[in-house]
Amino acid sequence: QKEVEQNSGPLSVPEGAIASLNCTYSDRGSQSFFWYRQYSGKSPELIMFIYSNGDKEDGRFTAQLNKASQYVSLLIRDSQPSDSATYLCAVYPGNQFYFGTGTSLTVIP
Amino acid sequence: EPEVTQTPSHQVTQMGQEVILRCVPISNHLYFYWYRQILGQKVEFLVSFYNNEISEKSEIFDDQFSVERPDGSNFTLKIRSTKLEDSAMYFCASSDEAVPYNEQFFGPGTRLTVL
Repeated sequence: QKEVEQNSGPLSVPEGAIASLNCTYSDRGSQSFFWYRQYSGKSPELIMFIYSNGDKEDGRFTAQLNKASQYVSLLIRDSQPSDSATYLCAVYPGNQFYFGTGTSLTVIP
Repeated sequence: EPEVTQTPSHQVTQMGQEVILRCVPISNHLYFYWYRQILGQKVEFLVSFYNNEISEKSEIFDDQFSVERPDGSNFTLKIRSTKLEDSAMYFCASSDEAVPYNEQFFGPGTRLTVL
């Protein structure tokens, strides 16, 4: 059973702070890793993907991947109230996508 | 900006009935996907489709499910005999490149309610 684990939250941070979201996965053969944002009642929206160990930055977002620890994280700098959503981690081990249950983030103005 | 569209937005059906959920992927995309999300639960992969055939399918995608690209624009998911547990949001997605480098664009979803 391929598992993707995320803390369900809720995670609350004040506006302007850094939000840190974490994800672990069970399949060591996983090739690529995705972070999606999902607003309530809406479809997932890709924030970024990463497939090499290390950090990948895109604007206020940084994804960090550590394949040895089977760990991927997302940092959101200068958090805004509009970042309040559920963040989904998805993993691709080579045949299909596996999603975590998501972490609910609330950014407090 | 091009987007994935899905119809209907909400489908209510009786248990045992057949339903067809429709999707129009982004026009130059080649890879198509269906996912479902039961209320309050995680997004689950159902099937991927490329070059007019299924590329991968999950354990959920049993004989009750089928997909089709009947013309150059539509991509459909058929559930032959719906069950109560099929009630979920169904998302279609498309991408122009194969995993692992692709960005999948999700449609707005069809909420299926089976009574």
